[in-house]
Amino acid sequence: GESVGLHLPTLSVQEGDNSIINCAYSNSASDYFIWYKQESGKGPQFIIDIRSNMDKRQGQRVTVLLNKTVKHLSLQIAATQPGDSAVYFCAEKDRTGGFKTIFGAGTRLFVKA
Amino acid sequence: NAGVTQTPKFQVLKTGQSMTLQCAQDMNHEYMSWYRQDPGMGLRLIHYSVGAGITDQGEVPNGYNVSRSTTEDFPLRLLSAAPSQTSVYFCASNRVGTGGETQYFGPGTRLLVL
Repeated sequence: GESVGLHLPTLSVQEGDNSIINCAYSNSASDYFIWYKQESGKGPQFIIDIRSNMDKRQGQRVTVLLNKTVKHLSLQIAATQPGDSAVYFCAEKDRTGGFKTIFGAGTRLFVKA
Repeated sequence: NAGVTQTPKFQVLKTGQSMTLQCAQDMNHEYMSWYRQDPGMGLRLIHYSVGAGITDQGEVPNGYNVSRSTTEDFPLRLLSAAPSQTSVYFCASNRVGTGGETQYFGPGTRLLVL
């Protein structure tokens, strides 16, 4: 069935290093992908998105890479800061298939000072 | 803009009690949705609405009702609370159209059913 999953449930990085959070998806019809950040006690917050006609998109300190061949998505955070500590979710959507967005289970990122 | 607001922040219920979780948004978004988040799991869609007067079921609708009488409000009703409904509930909204897929989430309601 459809699924969005993450390879690593937790990731610990040193402050200043780059972080890479990975995500696999299985629905080949998905054409829109989103990364969310969720801090403790708060709702998910949009970070960056990418459509399936792109393989890379950059934001401020974040880059999302999409590899449709292997159905893989990654979020790269440059110069990771303590404020980046959170749970990160990937999500996928088939925009022709209606409303449903499928969320992964999340990866917890710890940033060590 | 306040964005998406939810009340209450916390709630404890006894099995069999009913209650309504409130959600409101002031961004004039057409789409609104309710998710539940359980430990170690991603968000699962309970119900959603594509506009006032229109609602539909998501992945896990059983035990919940919704209504959408206005664009701004989208309450979630638990008809007869069960321990399995212990969870964190998030409301979200987004607008229709290209670039409107981004969902804005509220801060959540933490529900414990004893």
